[in-house]
Amino acid sequence: DAGITQSPRHKVTETGTPVTLRCHQTENHRYMYWYRQDPGHGLRLIHYSYGVKDTDKGEVSDGYSVSRSKTEDFLLTLESATSSQTSVYFCATRTGFSGNTIYFGEGSWLTVV
Amino acid sequence: QQQVKQSPQSLIVQKGGISIINCAYENTAFDYFPWYQQFPGKGPALLIAIRPDVSEKKEGRFTISFNKSAKQFSLHIMDSQPGDSATYFCAASRENSNSGYALNFGKGTSLLVTP
Repeated sequence: DAGITQSPRHKVTETGTPVTLRCHQTENHRYMYWYRQDPGHGLRLIHYSYGVKDTDKGEVSDGYSVSRSKTEDFLLTLESATSSQTSVYFCATRTGFSGNTIYFGEGSWLTVV
Repeated sequence: QQQVKQSPQSLIVQKGGISIINCAYENTAFDYFPWYQQFPGKGPALLIAIRPDVSEKKEGRFTISFNKSAKQFSLHIMDSQPGDSATYFCAASRENSNSGYALNFGKGTSLLVTP
C-alpha cells in the first residue's frame, strides 16, 4: 500500500460531458501514472508525470489530458467523454529510484453512456 | 503495438500443480521485468521482479525464469493453491528517467486453481 487514493471510485456519465478523475498519494513519490484496463488489452499507459507540472503522453493519450500542480495530486481529465472511454482507470506511483516498485491504486470504474 | 506478449490468456490448474505463464518482448532496452498479481476489484500488486543480469529469481512458491537471448521470461507458481486464483500480468520497463520508468504490460493471464 503506497497511500494512493482514487476518486471517484465509480462514475456513470453521459457522452460528451467532461470528467475528471483524481489520484492522491501520501508517499511523496516523484512519478505518477494513469493506466486504463480493458478486457483483452491489459493495462495501457495514458499519461505519466515525473514531477510537478512535468507530464508526458503514454500509449493511449488521445482524448485525455492530465495536470499535476502538487506532488501529491495527479488529475486525469476526459474533455468530452466517449463510450470508448468506458474503462477501469488505475493510478500508480513510484519513487525516482531505479528498480523501485510501482504501486497501484484501487481503480476508478467509469461508464460512459 | 504490444511491446510485451503474454500467454496463455487463461489457465486452469489443479491444486498442488505448477502454473506456468510466459512472456516475450522485443525491445532489448528493457531492463526490468516485474510480474503483477491482480484480484477482482483490486489494483495490481507487485509479485516478483527480475533484472536481465540473472537467469532466475525465486521467492517462496513463485519463480521467474529469464532468457535474455530469446527475449523471454516466465512465471512459475509451484504447489498452486486456490488462493492463487487471480489475473497475472508480466511487464517490462527501461530503467532510465527519459521514459519515466513506465511499465509496458502484457495482456494478462487469468489463472484458476481448482480444489
